[in-house]
Amino acid sequence: EPEVTQTPSHQVTQMGQEVILRCVPISNHLYFYWYRQILGQKVEFLVSFYNNEISEKSEIFDDQFSVERPDGSNFTLKIRSTKLEDSAMYFCATYSPTGTNYGYTFGSGTRLTVV
Amino acid sequence: GQQVMQIPQYQHVQEGEDFTTYCNSSTTLSNIQWYKQRPGGHPVFLIQLVKSGEVKKQKRLTFQFGEAKKNSSLHITATQTTDVGTYFCAGGPSGGYQKVTFGTGTKLQVIP
Repeated sequence: EPEVTQTPSHQVTQMGQEVILRCVPISNHLYFYWYRQILGQKVEFLVSFYNNEISEKSEIFDDQFSVERPDGSNFTLKIRSTKLEDSAMYFCATYSPTGTNYGYTFGSGTRLTVV
Repeated sequence: GQQVMQIPQYQHVQEGEDFTTYCNSSTTLSNIQWYKQRPGGHPVFLIQLVKSGEVKKQKRLTFQFGEAKKNSSLHITATQTTDVGTYFCAGGPSGGYQKVTFGTGTKLQVIP
């Protein structure tokens, strides 16, 4: 079964540093998302991306966050200057409206720890 | 904004007992999806319901979508230890590609 691949699986960074989280979506999926989950809490929407642009973003996704698809395959989330409260599990998800699976396919996540 | 709440937050059951989690949205939904997240894992899609009053079954799991399309439930018959995890509902406002809003989740523990 096709998978969404995320790297790294775990990232530890110092407060104020920039981090880039990477995702390789399923090849024929056109809609991409970033969600995050603070330990023990619910899954929160950050941003959706379609046709090489942001289609929707949440209040969490402020100027410190950006997304891009630099080479047509990878989908990245950049946090410019990390804060302690950015510590969370970050999930990439993809979706295809033409498939038989109508749900989102999530990657295994990147655990970001800001110290 | 849209809020999706689930009850209970936690549920411990003896293996073989039934389990139900309830999902309520503050707004009418276009569709409801259900996901399972194993401890340390990522959400895995289980099912999508679209029609008012719809009921779908997957082996021991029964999913319902309310008539007003604001609530949903997941019922597991005769739980097994493999059912352990957190079950999330996720509501879609409209369209299939827009973001879904996840519920607060119900963490299920099954005691062998």
